[in-house]
Amino acid sequence: EIVLTQSPATLSLSPGERATLSCGASQSVNINYLAWYQQKPGLAPRLLIYDAIRRATGIPDRFSGSGSGTDFTLTISRLEPEDVAVYYCQQYRSSPATFGGGTKVEIK
Amino acid sequence: QLHLQESGPGLVKPWETLSLTCSVSGDSIIGIRSYWGWFRQAPGKGLEYIASFRHDRTTFYNPSLKSRVSMSLDTSKNQFSLKLSSVTAADTAIYYCARSPGADVPNWFDPWGQGALVTVSS
Repeated sequence: EIVLTQSPATLSLSPGERATLSCGASQSVNINYLAWYQQKPGLAPRLLIYDAIRRATGIPDRFSGSGSGTDFTLTISRLEPEDVAVYYCQQYRSSPATFGGGTKVEIK
Repeated sequence: QLHLQESGPGLVKPWETLSLTCSVSGDSIIGIRSYWGWFRQAPGKGLEYIASFRHDRTTFYNPSLKSRVSMSLDTSKNQFSLKLSSVTAADTAIYYCARSPGADVPNWFDPWGQGALVTVSS
């Protein structure tokens, strides 16, 4: 199965700063078979990005995805207090679908 | 708007079978462009894929759980279900159901149910 490694484990930034979250795959997930999810404390995951770069319905444009092959990035252009959450990447290039271990985003 | 809701016992004894149901509203579970999936999250841990299937019973499993997993659907109630046999404390987790719009294979999952906590304990 494809192993996804996310870094950093924790990201602590001030409001308005740019957050850059990384997701590395143990083998290529093709151009874009990757999704990003946001999970706020006590809530279910919410889809943010699919096909590596496409924002899901209702997701603010400060969230953007990039990358291909084995290296992907989720960027939050201007961090807001409501963005405090754990962010997970998920590949759907091959079965079983797998998730990264998550990046926790905190506000300083 | 599509909405999913998990339900089932919150406490299961070791070596018994965990059973959960996901009720779907806003779309038919026999929709052509839908896979229906189950996931879990152990306390303080990350997300784990369990399995997903579609109306024609095409199923994709996590190999680590395949021998203990069965899934079914009830079209009359627009529900699908998960059974996980021979549970141990390691199966204690919040269990989520979700939909994938993949036509041939599952892809991303959206939306997700709110989750159901299942504790395995005697």
